[in-house]
Amino acid sequence: DAKTTQPNSMESNEEEPVHLPCNHSTISGTDYIHWYRQLPSQGPEYVIHGLTSNVNNRMASLAIAEDRKSSTLILHRATLRDAAVYYCILRPIIQGAQKLVFGQGTRLTINP
Amino acid sequence: NAGVTQTPKFRILKIGQSMTLQCTQDMNHNYMYWYRQDPGMGLKLIYYSVGAGITDKGEVPNGYNVSRSTTEDFPLRLELAAPSQTSVYFCASSPRDRGRTSYEQYFGPGTRLTVT
Repeated sequence: DAKTTQPNSMESNEEEPVHLPCNHSTISGTDYIHWYRQLPSQGPEYVIHGLTSNVNNRMASLAIAEDRKSSTLILHRATLRDAAVYYCILRPIIQGAQKLVFGQGTRLTINP
Repeated sequence: NAGVTQTPKFRILKIGQSMTLQCTQDMNHNYMYWYRQDPGMGLKLIYYSVGAGITDKGEVPNGYNVSRSTTEDFPLRLELAAPSQTSVYFCASSPRDRGRTSYEQYFGPGTRLTVT
């Protein structure tokens, strides 16, 4: 499985934008980039995913580099509820390869 | 929809005891998964199933068994519990990927298991 690299921790202030980076230099052409987050004492929660183009949804935006070797999850206006561990995961689209391989993620702290 | 539900929420087992962790989803998803999460670590896949009657091993299957007799249910069985199985267990489900569309996984709230 292709590997991702994320900072162990990041800190930001409430109501400010947050940019969470992820490096995936060995990504293949059939790997989707998925982001999940895990709030304290809860199961992971899907945030967003993309293949080549930037993506937006109600939770966040995903900016994918042109060479696809890195991506950035953008929280436009952080709230205290966004404090969580964020996981960047590569997921092959090959039929049957449904597994998510979780690294240690980035622990995001939001200051009031 | 209740989504993915897991029971029990907490359990303490003695070494050598057995138990079944229950997982049910009401979204008619083909795929279901069991993960474990040790303190401070990411999740690791134990077993997964692509449909009723079909299961396969993940990264850390030793000490566990699964079955999938219906689309809704995917129980995880621990035989002869060991302290190394102390962990939080998460069940998840997802629709079957079609073509070049990738779908997300939906996770349950977890079962916190302690083996002493």
